[in-house]
Amino acid sequence: QKEVEQNSGPLSVPEGAIASLNCTYSDRVSQSFFWYRQYSGKSPELIMSIYSNGDKEDGRFTAQLNKASQYVSLLIRDSQPSDSATYLCAVNREAGNNRKLIWGLGTSLAVNP
Amino acid sequence: DAGVIQSPRHEVTEMGQEVTLRCKPISGHDYLFWYRQTMMRGLELLIYFNNNVPIDDSGMPEDRFSAKMPNASFSTLKIQPSEPRDSAVYFCASSFGTANEKLFFGSGTQLSVL
Repeated sequence: QKEVEQNSGPLSVPEGAIASLNCTYSDRVSQSFFWYRQYSGKSPELIMSIYSNGDKEDGRFTAQLNKASQYVSLLIRDSQPSDSATYLCAVNREAGNNRKLIWGLGTSLAVNP
Repeated sequence: DAGVIQSPRHEVTEMGQEVTLRCKPISGHDYLFWYRQTMMRGLELLIYFNNNVPIDDSGMPEDRFSAKMPNASFSTLKIQPSEPRDSAVYFCASSFGTANEKLFFGSGTQLSVL
């Protein structure tokens, strides 16, 4: 089992719909969770971080965390063609003073006009 | 600030040659990360530095890879000798404060080893 798993997609949604991206992780002690967006040929950029169980909203984006189920998701409301990208889930693994992000392979999202 | 600056953007070389990738982090950032990205393996952390000191190099594939950070504004990743399986996009990223809280990535170096 990979440490961080995501469906590779592609996930295709019509413009204006809600896109739901999911991520599961294996390390129960992880405390920090991140969603990065990566456009084709570009570098990743952080769009959401979440640390506590529940929902965190930022504009059209909502991150949801359930530590008991080891599950983190990203909802994109009113999806726009400009949201078409690969979304990377990253989980912080801590061992003493060493912290490192473990990355999923990403979910490709296509928003169709 | 111009962001994290990497050079070169593209590098094509022949197997056995030495490759040097360069990175200038955002001024004031105290963490610097080198990542490699491929379709099959995704983003892999190679090494990271805190205040110019290497903290974790467990992701460096083998002795052919080495990284240095001689000062707060410059880092290099060297591959010697290069092999075709090293072909990937190499990203440098930096952050401030607690590691991993928000990474700022450079534009990456697309490396092709023939």
